[in-house]
Amino acid sequence: AQSVAQPEDQVNVAEGNPLTVKCTYSVSGNPYLFWYVQYPNRGLQFLLKYITGDNLVKGSYGFEAEFNKSQTSFHLKKPSALVSDSALYFCAVRDGNQKVTFGIGTKLQVIP
Amino acid sequence: GAGVSQSPSNKVTEKGKDVELRCDPISGHTALYWYRQRLGQGLEFLIYFQGNSAPDKSGLPSDRFSAERTGESVSTLTIQRTQQEDSAVYLCASSVDRRGGETQYFGPGTRLLVL
Repeated sequence: AQSVAQPEDQVNVAEGNPLTVKCTYSVSGNPYLFWYVQYPNRGLQFLLKYITGDNLVKGSYGFEAEFNKSQTSFHLKKPSALVSDSALYFCAVRDGNQKVTFGIGTKLQVIP
Repeated sequence: GAGVSQSPSNKVTEKGKDVELRCDPISGHTALYWYRQRLGQGLEFLIYFQGNSAPDKSGLPSDRFSAERTGESVSTLTIQRTQQEDSAVYLCASSVDRRGGETQYFGPGTRLLVL
């Protein structure tokens, strides 16, 4: 069975500093990996995804994520955090015909 | 509208009553998901419809929960004999790409409160 782990319930970072939100996964085949963001009082939005090709994926709002097959990780990163990046971030994985499995989410708090 | 819509946006009900939640996916999207999000918690998968295949019901928490979808259109999630622990935001998402790398588009959710 596929699974996703987001080991940090919350990540705090100062505005302007780089941020990383961690995600590791477990699948039996080639993974399709996603990041979604949920801003306060708003719906979930797609941020970026990895299907194949370059391990570094660039997405919306300056975010990027690096696929690391050997470490089975797909950490979300941004070089310089903004206060407006404060939100709940979900990592998700899909293996072939399986349903998408979401992590429990990581709350990102960017401190002014 | 081009997005996923859900109704009602809010529902307050009494314990023991049945509720029905509706999801209108984006036209042409073959896959439809229902999730539950309790206050301050992550997404909990409930059920997954993909085209005409049998739905994946593995996430339904009890037999009080059921869902239907007619073809590739509207889906309804029914909760019978509601309990207070059913209080949550119920999210619907749809997607189009059958190859696995599809992006899910989420509706705004239905906020259910069971008194």
